[in-house]
Amino acid sequence: DAGVTQSPTHLIKTRGQQVTLRCSPKSGHDTVSWYQQALGQGPQFIFQYYEEEERQRGNFPDRFSGHQFPNYSSELNVNALLLGDSALYLCASSSRRTVETQYFGPGTRLLVL
Amino acid sequence: AQSVTQPDIHITVSEGASLELRCNYSYGATPYLFWYVQSPGQGLQLLLKYFSGDTLVQGIKGFEAEFKRSQSSFNLRKPSVHWSDAAEYFCAVGAQLTGGGNKLTFGTGTQLKVEL
Repeated sequence: DAGVTQSPTHLIKTRGQQVTLRCSPKSGHDTVSWYQQALGQGPQFIFQYYEEEERQRGNFPDRFSGHQFPNYSSELNVNALLLGDSALYLCASSSRRTVETQYFGPGTRLLVL
Repeated sequence: AQSVTQPDIHITVSEGASLELRCNYSYGATPYLFWYVQSPGQGLQLLLKYFSGDTLVQGIKGFEAEFKRSQSSFNLRKPSVHWSDAAEYFCAVGAQLTGGGNKLTFGTGTQLKVEL
């Protein structure tokens, strides 16, 4: 049973560029959440996708956007990158039947220079 | 708004010693509570969760946690620590989202070091 997968594992970008991160949920899951984890901090909620719609957004600017596809996989896009966007980006999946429990992928480490 | 406090940033224990990691939460309703573990450069692995019922919950790797509503706490314990338990531990509270689903609010984590 494949768990949550994310790609790429690492990414280096320069300020002002745009980046797309990808996530495939655990088998049987239909809900995807994205979190940002800055160095030395706990993860912070960016947004959650269900039925290809954004359910709710955390305290992140519109530069952060996402998408969910019919197969439940998801993308996180960040435009106009800032140095402060350097972080580990974590994807978590859950099922509408057991929405409380989220399972995390290994993350994508983004470095903005 | 919900919040989680993990008062201990770093904890060092000897292998074989007992462990308790503290977690206090703030949430207006009955909370969903979680403990996750993160090894260096890795994602988060779920150790255990509490939704309702028995306030002492068992998890993987020999960990357990006790929910105490009166103290707004959900402390993680292990009777005998192994060197492989060295990692960062995060406590989280789940809050329901408008329209369904829930989001996790995490504490800042406790870094566990195990001395051999």
